[in-house]
Amino acid sequence: GENVEQHPSTLSVQEGDSAVIKCTYSDSASNYFPWYKQELGKGPQLIIDIRSNVGEKKDQRIAVTLNKTAKHFSLHITETQPEDSAVYFCAEMYSSASKIIFGSGTRLSIRP
Amino acid sequence: DTGVSQNPRHKITKRGQNVTFRCDPISEHNRLYWYRQTLGQGPEFLTYFQNEAQLEKSRLLSDRFSAERPKGSFSTLEIQRTEQGDSAMYLCASSLAGGPGSYEQYFGPGTRLTVT
Repeated sequence: GENVEQHPSTLSVQEGDSAVIKCTYSDSASNYFPWYKQELGKGPQLIIDIRSNVGEKKDQRIAVTLNKTAKHFSLHITETQPEDSAVYFCAEMYSSASKIIFGSGTRLSIRP
Repeated sequence: DTGVSQNPRHKITKRGQNVTFRCDPISEHNRLYWYRQTLGQGPEFLTYFQNEAQLEKSRLLSDRFSAERPKGSFSTLEIQRTEQGDSAMYLCASSLAGGPGSYEQYFGPGTRLTVT
């Protein structure tokens, strides 16, 4: 079935520390895993993605890891800044023509 | 701004009225998606078009909902006889089929619907 579980639902970290958000999926056919950041009153913004043939991808302060065997994937944000405060969604797709299946979101707060 | 645009940004309507939303995708994108997002949840898929063809519809899309993309460019989503349960953010996304970035869907700012 189509299901993405995301943890934690809320996360508060000190500015400068790292934040980690974890997701699990159930559809073994899924092969694309995007992460979206949503700020209040705005649409989701694609921040990073990973394909199933790659185990890790990094873009400046953010990185994603994927374990296809365990069906786990994670978002890592290092050196957190106040502008990182937002709701983050993990997601899965099984083909480029398919819909995105979203997790339930993680509200990340950065404490000054 | 060449991103996805949606109009109106906010809509307040009374129960039983009809509403229509518009989405303009990124200009070269041939796929267009509609999602619905309720408070505290992730977006849920409603339907998608490739060019003017509507290729998939979710079971969430009841008979009161209809979407069109008549010329393969902008799309409209109409809700007839609105109910309070229709109150949500309606999001549009677009993507370009066939290229290396064909998986990437880019979202608009959404239309927030409130049914009173």
